[in-house]
Amino acid sequence: DGGITQSPKYLFRKEGQNVTLSCEQNLNHDAMYWYRQDPGQGLRLIYYSQIVNDFQKGDIAEGYSVSREKKESFPLTVTSAQKNPTAFYLCASMNGGYTEAFFGQGTRLTVV
Amino acid sequence: LAKTTQPISMDSYEGQEVNITCSHNNIATNDYITWYQQFPSQGPRFIIQGYKTKVTNEVASLFIPADRKSSTLSLPRVSLSDTAVYYCLVGDVNNAGNMLTFGGGTRLMVKP
Repeated sequence: DGGITQSPKYLFRKEGQNVTLSCEQNLNHDAMYWYRQDPGQGLRLIYYSQIVNDFQKGDIAEGYSVSREKKESFPLTVTSAQKNPTAFYLCASMNGGYTEAFFGQGTRLTVV
Repeated sequence: LAKTTQPISMDSYEGQEVNITCSHNNIATNDYITWYQQFPSQGPRFIIQGYKTKVTNEVASLFIPADRKSSTLSLPRVSLSDTAVYYCLVGDVNNAGNMLTFGGGTRLMVKP
Protein backbone atom coordinates (compact mmCIF):
# COMPACT_ATOMS: atom_id res chain seq x y z
CA ASP A 1 0.00 0.00 0.00
CA GLY A 2 1.24 3.48 -0.85
CA GLY A 3 1.48 6.03 1.88
CA ILE A 4 3.51 8.39 3.98
CA THR A 5 5.11 7.24 7.21
CA GLN A 6 6.40 9.30 10.09
CA SER A 7 8.48 7.93 12.91
CA PRO A 8 8.59 7.82 15.81
CA LYS A 9 5.03 8.58 16.93
CA TYR A 10 6.23 9.97 20.27
CA LEU A 11 9.64 11.49 20.95
CA PHE A 12 11.17 12.92 24.07
CA ARG A 13 14.18 15.17 23.98
CA LYS A 14 16.31 16.80 26.59
CA GLU A 15 16.91 20.50 26.32
CA GLY A 16 19.97 21.32 24.27
CA GLN A 17 19.81 18.19 22.13
CA ASN A 18 19.16 17.94 18.43
CA VAL A 19 16.58 15.40 17.28
CA THR A 20 15.63 14.13 13.83
CA LEU A 21 12.10 13.23 12.78
CA SER A 22 11.70 10.78 9.94
CA CYS A 23 9.29 11.12 7.01
CA GLU A 24 9.17 8.55 4.20
CA GLN A 25 6.74 8.27 1.31
CA ASN A 26 6.30 5.63 -1.39
CA LEU A 27 3.76 7.61 -3.41
CA ASN A 28 6.39 8.86 -5.87
CA HIS A 29 5.41 12.41 -4.99
CA ASP A 30 7.71 15.26 -5.91
CA ALA A 31 6.73 17.70 -3.16
CA MET A 32 7.13 17.15 0.56
CA TYR A 33 6.27 19.42 3.49
CA TRP A 34 6.86 19.74 7.23
CA TYR A 35 4.40 21.42 9.58
CA ARG A 36 4.25 22.24 13.23
CA GLN A 37 0.97 22.26 15.13
CA ASP A 38 0.53 23.60 18.66
CA PRO A 39 -2.53 22.75 20.79
CA GLY A 40 -5.71 24.33 19.42
CA GLN A 41 -3.85 25.95 16.54
CA GLY A 42 -3.63 25.44 12.80
CA LEU A 43 -0.70 24.04 10.84
CA ARG A 44 2.34 26.23 10.33
CA LEU A 45 4.74 25.47 7.49
CA ILE A 46 8.36 24.84 8.50
CA TYR A 47 10.06 23.72 5.30
CA TYR A 48 9.03 22.32 1.95
CA SER A 49 10.77 20.66 -0.96
CA GLN A 50 9.60 20.45 -4.55
CA ILE A 51 12.47 18.34 -5.84
CA VAL A 52 15.42 16.28 -4.65
CA ASN A 53 18.35 18.32 -3.33
CA ASP A 54 16.26 21.48 -3.10
CA PHE A 55 14.10 22.89 -0.31
CA GLN A 56 12.68 26.22 0.80
CA LYS A 57 11.93 27.80 4.15
CA GLY A 58 8.36 28.11 5.24
CA ASP A 59 6.94 30.55 7.77
CA ILE A 60 8.73 29.22 10.87
CA ALA A 61 12.04 27.70 9.68
CA GLU A 62 14.23 29.12 12.44
CA GLY A 63 15.65 26.38 14.65
CA TYR A 64 14.91 23.63 12.13
CA SER A 65 16.85 22.03 9.28
CA VAL A 66 15.95 19.55 6.55
CA SER A 67 17.53 17.53 3.76
CA ARG A 68 16.13 15.98 0.60
CA GLU A 69 18.75 13.52 -0.66
CA LYS A 70 16.16 11.04 -1.91
CA LYS A 71 12.72 11.57 -3.41
CA GLU A 72 11.17 9.28 -0.80
CA SER A 73 12.68 10.87 2.28
CA PHE A 74 12.47 14.31 3.91
CA PRO A 75 13.85 14.22 7.47
CA LEU A 76 13.42 17.18 9.79
CA THR A 77 16.00 18.04 12.46
CA VAL A 78 14.87 20.08 15.41
CA THR A 79 17.98 21.81 16.64
CA SER A 80 18.85 23.16 20.05
CA ALA A 81 18.30 26.63 18.60
CA GLN A 82 14.54 26.02 18.53
CA LYS A 83 13.38 27.69 21.72
CA ASN A 84 10.06 25.94 22.15
CA PRO A 85 10.15 22.64 20.24
CA THR A 86 7.39 20.81 22.10
CA ALA A 87 4.67 20.35 19.46
CA PHE A 88 2.95 17.97 17.07
CA TYR A 89 4.88 17.65 13.80
CA LEU A 90 3.23 16.61 10.54
CA CYS A 91 4.80 15.62 7.24
CA ALA A 92 2.93 15.70 3.93
CA SER A 93 3.57 14.90 0.31
CA MET A 94 1.86 16.00 -2.87
CA ASN A 95 2.24 15.22 -6.54
CA GLY A 96 2.84 18.10 -8.90
CA GLY A 97 0.83 21.25 -8.33
CA TYR A 98 -2.03 21.97 -5.96
CA THR A 99 -3.54 18.51 -5.90
CA GLU A 100 -4.41 16.25 -2.98
CA ALA A 101 -1.85 16.27 -0.18
CA PHE A 102 -1.29 13.14 1.89
CA PHE A 103 -0.25 13.42 5.51
CA GLY A 104 1.57 11.14 7.88
CA GLN A 105 0.23 10.31 11.33
CA GLY A 106 2.49 12.83 13.00
CA THR A 107 5.23 12.85 15.61
CA ARG A 108 4.57 14.34 19.01
CA LEU A 109 7.79 15.84 20.33
CA THR A 110 8.16 16.70 24.00
CA VAL A 111 11.15 18.43 25.52
CA VAL A 112 11.86 17.21 29.03
CA LEU B 1 -1.02 32.81 -2.69
CA ALA B 2 -4.58 33.84 -1.99
CA LYS B 3 -5.28 34.37 1.70
CA THR B 4 -8.34 32.65 3.13
CA THR B 5 -10.66 33.63 5.97
CA GLN B 6 -12.93 31.16 7.77
CA PRO B 7 -15.02 31.27 10.95
CA ILE B 8 -13.02 30.08 13.93
CA SER B 9 -15.70 27.70 15.18
CA MET B 10 -19.20 26.41 14.50
CA ASP B 11 -21.65 24.27 16.43
CA SER B 12 -24.26 21.95 14.98
CA TYR B 13 -26.48 19.03 15.94
CA GLU B 14 -26.57 15.53 14.57
CA GLY B 15 -28.60 15.18 11.40
CA GLN B 16 -28.30 18.82 10.41
CA GLU B 17 -26.65 20.17 7.27
CA VAL B 18 -23.56 22.24 8.00
CA ASN B 19 -22.25 24.94 5.71
CA ILE B 20 -18.79 26.39 6.27
CA THR B 21 -17.91 29.44 4.22
CA CYS B 22 -14.41 30.49 3.23
CA SER B 23 -13.54 33.93 1.91
CA HIS B 24 -10.72 34.28 -0.64
CA ASN B 25 -11.10 37.73 -2.15
CA ASN B 26 -7.82 37.77 -4.07
CA ILE B 27 -8.11 34.35 -5.67
CA ALA B 28 -6.19 34.11 -8.94
CA THR B 29 -7.47 32.82 -12.27
CA ASN B 30 -5.61 29.51 -12.04
CA ASP B 31 -6.34 28.87 -8.37
CA TYR B 32 -8.40 25.94 -7.17
CA ILE B 33 -10.13 25.67 -3.81
CA THR B 34 -9.39 22.67 -1.62
CA TRP B 35 -10.86 21.60 1.73
CA TYR B 36 -9.25 19.33 4.31
CA GLN B 37 -10.57 17.73 7.50
CA GLN B 38 -8.45 17.11 10.59
CA PHE B 39 -9.26 15.00 13.63
CA PRO B 40 -7.30 15.45 16.88
CA SER B 41 -3.77 14.02 16.81
CA GLN B 42 -4.05 13.09 13.13
CA GLY B 43 -2.90 14.63 9.88
CA PRO B 44 -5.44 16.48 7.72
CA ARG B 45 -7.36 14.50 5.13
CA PHE B 46 -8.40 15.79 1.70
CA ILE B 47 -12.17 16.23 1.38
CA ILE B 48 -12.92 18.00 -1.87
CA GLN B 49 -11.50 20.33 -4.50
CA GLY B 50 -13.16 22.58 -7.04
CA TYR B 51 -12.73 25.50 -9.43
CA LYS B 52 -16.23 26.85 -10.02
CA THR B 53 -19.96 26.15 -9.60
CA LYS B 54 -20.59 22.93 -7.68
CA VAL B 55 -18.60 19.82 -6.92
CA THR B 56 -20.04 16.85 -5.05
CA ASN B 57 -18.53 13.62 -3.79
CA GLU B 58 -19.56 10.98 -1.30
CA VAL B 59 -18.51 13.12 1.64
CA ALA B 60 -19.39 16.72 0.88
CA SER B 61 -20.39 19.36 -1.64
CA LEU B 62 -18.46 22.46 -2.55
CA PHE B 63 -20.30 25.52 -3.81
CA ILE B 64 -18.35 28.25 -5.60
CA PRO B 65 -20.12 31.39 -6.85
CA ALA B 66 -19.35 32.95 -10.21
CA ASP B 67 -16.94 35.54 -8.79
CA ARG B 68 -15.04 32.78 -6.90
CA LYS B 69 -14.28 35.14 -4.03
CA SER B 70 -15.77 32.71 -1.57
CA SER B 71 -16.68 29.04 -1.32
CA THR B 72 -18.93 26.97 0.90
CA LEU B 73 -18.27 23.46 2.11
CA SER B 74 -21.55 21.66 2.75
CA LEU B 75 -21.70 18.57 4.97
CA PRO B 76 -25.08 16.83 4.72
CA ARG B 77 -26.65 15.30 7.83
CA VAL B 78 -23.62 15.53 10.11
CA SER B 79 -22.90 12.98 12.80
CA LEU B 80 -20.77 13.16 15.94
CA SER B 81 -17.86 11.76 13.94
CA ASP B 82 -17.82 14.89 11.78
CA THR B 83 -16.51 16.87 14.76
CA ALA B 84 -13.18 18.09 13.43
CA VAL B 85 -11.28 21.09 12.13
CA TYR B 86 -11.92 22.03 8.51
CA TYR B 87 -9.36 23.94 6.47
CA CYS B 88 -9.87 25.89 3.24
CA LEU B 89 -6.86 26.31 0.96
CA VAL B 90 -6.43 28.09 -2.36
CA GLY B 91 -3.68 27.47 -4.88
CA ASP B 92 -2.69 26.86 -8.49
CA VAL B 93 -2.99 23.17 -9.39
CA ASN B 94 -0.46 23.66 -12.16
CA ASN B 95 2.18 25.32 -10.02
CA ALA B 96 4.67 22.88 -8.58
CA GLY B 97 6.09 25.58 -6.35
CA ASN B 98 3.07 25.82 -4.06
CA MET B 99 3.84 26.37 -0.39
CA LEU B 100 0.64 24.58 0.73
CA THR B 101 -0.20 26.97 3.53
CA PHE B 102 -2.93 26.18 6.04
CA GLY B 103 -4.76 28.83 8.04
CA GLY B 104 -6.40 28.34 11.41
CA GLY B 105 -9.34 26.37 10.07
CA THR B 106 -12.91 26.11 11.38
CA ARG B 107 -13.50 23.97 14.44
CA LEU B 108 -16.83 22.19 13.98
CA MET B 109 -18.50 20.71 17.04
CA VAL B 110 -21.40 18.35 16.39
CA LYS B 111 -23.65 17.80 19.39
CA PRO B 112 -26.09 14.95 20.03
